Amino acid sequence: GQQVMQIPQYQHVQEGEDFTTYCNSSTTLSNIQWYKQRPGGHPVFLIQLVKSGEVKKQKRLTFQFGEAKKNSSLHITATQTTDVGTYFCAGGEGSYIPTFGRGTSLIVHP
Amino acid sequence: SAVISQKPSRDICQRGTSLTIQCQVDSQVTMMFWYRQQPGQSLTLIATANQGSEATYESGFVIDKFPISRPNLTFSTLTVSNMSPEDSSIYLCSVVAGDTGELFFGEGSRLTVL
Repeated sequence: GQQVMQIPQYQHVQEGEDFTTYCNSSTTLSNIQWYKQRPGGHPVFLIQLVKSGEVKKQKRLTFQFGEAKKNSSLHITATQTTDVGTYFCAGGEGSYIPTFGRGTSLIVHP
Repeated sequence: SAVISQKPSRDICQRGTSLTIQCQVDSQVTMMFWYRQQPGQSLTLIATANQGSEATYESGFVIDKFPISRPNLTFSTLTVSNMSPEDSSIYLCSVVAGDTGELFFGEGSRLTVL
């Protein structure tokens, strides 16, 4: 079955440094979604990418979908303490329910 | 969008007992799911709650252990039966609302089994 791998598992950064998490699928995806889960909270949808090579930005967050639609990345520029949390990618295949990656926990040191 | 109310938010239970978690959505939704999130882990889909029919379970999850009800398009329950410490986890209700396939999650039910 489909597998979605996400790295790194943890990332410590100093406030102001950049952060990137990577997501790779064993199969070609129809779309990829990204979620953020704050400590003690529930996952909250950030964005969905559907097109090969697509790049979307949300303020300091940049999301990319690979040309082959098998990988994706989330990059945060100049991290802030409010960025702390776990970022999950979730790969979808058509009408199937997305498969979640393991998540990357971002720790920002002030 | 969708607003999901889930209860209980947390509970401490004894081994061998059962607990039922409720999920109420503020609008009618077709697709509703139950996830489990063990400490520090990802989200694992338990089952899809189908309105008017039996739930569709993922590999490794069975109806006898996790019976699910979905009497209408706004409500579902998940029961964790005959609990053991390995069932200690956060259980999350989730729905798809709108055209994008975006998942909305409840606040989660944190279950500790002693």
